[in-house]
Amino acid sequence: DAGITQSPRHKVTETGTPVTLRCHQTENHRYMYWYRQDPGHGLRLIHYSYGVKDTDKGEVSDGYSVSRSKTEDFLLTLESATSSQTSVYFCAIGMAGGSTDTQYFGPGTRLTVL
Amino acid sequence: GNSVTQMEGPVTLSEEAFLTINCTYTATGYPSLFWYVQYPGEGLQLLLKATKADDKGSNKGFEATYRKETTSFHLEKGSVQVSDSAVYFCALSDPSGGSYIPTFGRGTSLIVHP
Repeated sequence: DAGITQSPRHKVTETGTPVTLRCHQTENHRYMYWYRQDPGHGLRLIHYSYGVKDTDKGEVSDGYSVSRSKTEDFLLTLESATSSQTSVYFCAIGMAGGSTDTQYFGPGTRLTVL
Repeated sequence: GNSVTQMEGPVTLSEEAFLTINCTYTATGYPSLFWYVQYPGEGLQLLLKATKADDKGSNKGFEATYRKETTSFHLEKGSVQVSDSAVYFCALSDPSGGSYIPTFGRGTSLIVHP
């Protein structure tokens, strides 16, 4: 199994509070991704990173920011959580390039915003 | 742009039945194609992949053939088990434009009854 951990695994918070989710990898993969998964929407890309300090937006980036100061860590921050951000969040990593385009996913973080 | 369309679920089968989950795609370049599986409470994991036309990916009794002429990558299994109950995602990776952002289908839920 690819070495990807997410923390916390579960979190309940209140509307308006900041929340940071952490993704940690031990595979030295260049690409890291944050997705959210909601019923009826499948997986939606929030942000991704293609190197240390190199990040870009995905299709649902509003209300989220990310940082990557080390190859192994990719943080997702909800600046001011809203109930619409209640979801399951998955981190993924990938090497990129040809047949190595496989993504490896973390176990997920279930976030509830009350 | 790129897109992946897969059949909506849930697909409900009896144990030992034959399974087909349809997947078609559009891509601007020459993509790699993937099937991922998500078991309850877990992240996605790679089930199989194919990187060029007429390649067949296979794993755990599942198979899918890369059909460029019909832009399809249908997932099949000859005899499903209760343990195959999960959500299956078809995906493509098309780095021809310099992007390593995969495109996922919305997922198809499979329920297998004893």
